[in-house]
Amino acid sequence: DQQVKQNSPSLSVQEGRISILNCDYTNSMFDYFLWYKKYPAEGPTFLISISSIKDKNEDGRFTVFLNKSAKHLSLHIVPSQPGDSAVYFCAASAKGNKLVFGAGTILRVKS
Amino acid sequence: DTAVSQTPKYLVTQMGNDKSIKCEQNLGHDTMYWYKQDSKKFLKIMFSYNNKELIINETVPNRFSPKSPDKAHLNLHINSLELGDSAVYFCASSQVAETEAFFGQGTRLTVV
Repeated sequence: DQQVKQNSPSLSVQEGRISILNCDYTNSMFDYFLWYKKYPAEGPTFLISISSIKDKNEDGRFTVFLNKSAKHLSLHIVPSQPGDSAVYFCAASAKGNKLVFGAGTILRVKS
Repeated sequence: DTAVSQTPKYLVTQMGNDKSIKCEQNLGHDTMYWYKQDSKKFLKIMFSYNNKELIINETVPNRFSPKSPDKAHLNLHINSLELGDSAVYFCASSQVAETEAFFGQGTRLTVV
């Protein structure tokens, strides 16, 4: 039962353009959402998070949007850089319970 | 100076063997985890410890036994390894349970 879904296995974007990574969830109890970035042969690295009381959180080039009614969140990267090429995982938790991860989306930024 | 370190990075072993993966964090975090990334690339939690006490134990075969000698260490011991145990295992830690976790580099376990 996949409670967190990243339906796009991969995404290819030109350098300087916007990358939009999407994530859907099914559990309405989720109240905390995170994005992680993972390079090959390394562990995931925390990128940005958002609480369910907000609909947007921004950190430099990274912005996460949360649409609770649609149970959807997205990560925007502007402008995209070749170093952003990695696997991006969406994760969610409900009131301090375990983090549930999506399957990840491979982002390739072409120079 | 590595925040969460796990050893070994690669482990190849035969079916039926017993092996351990070690994990240490120097961040002063109270909570540590073991995750398994399977062939479909899903990251699934196996165990969570808070101040050396087990707080999450997912449906994991009892061949897997975590051991936390102190809050900076969470080791994973696996008995009677099976082919299906082949995966990448990640250790992680966080200050507050189930918030931003810091991950180790992963241990790729291959059972032959």
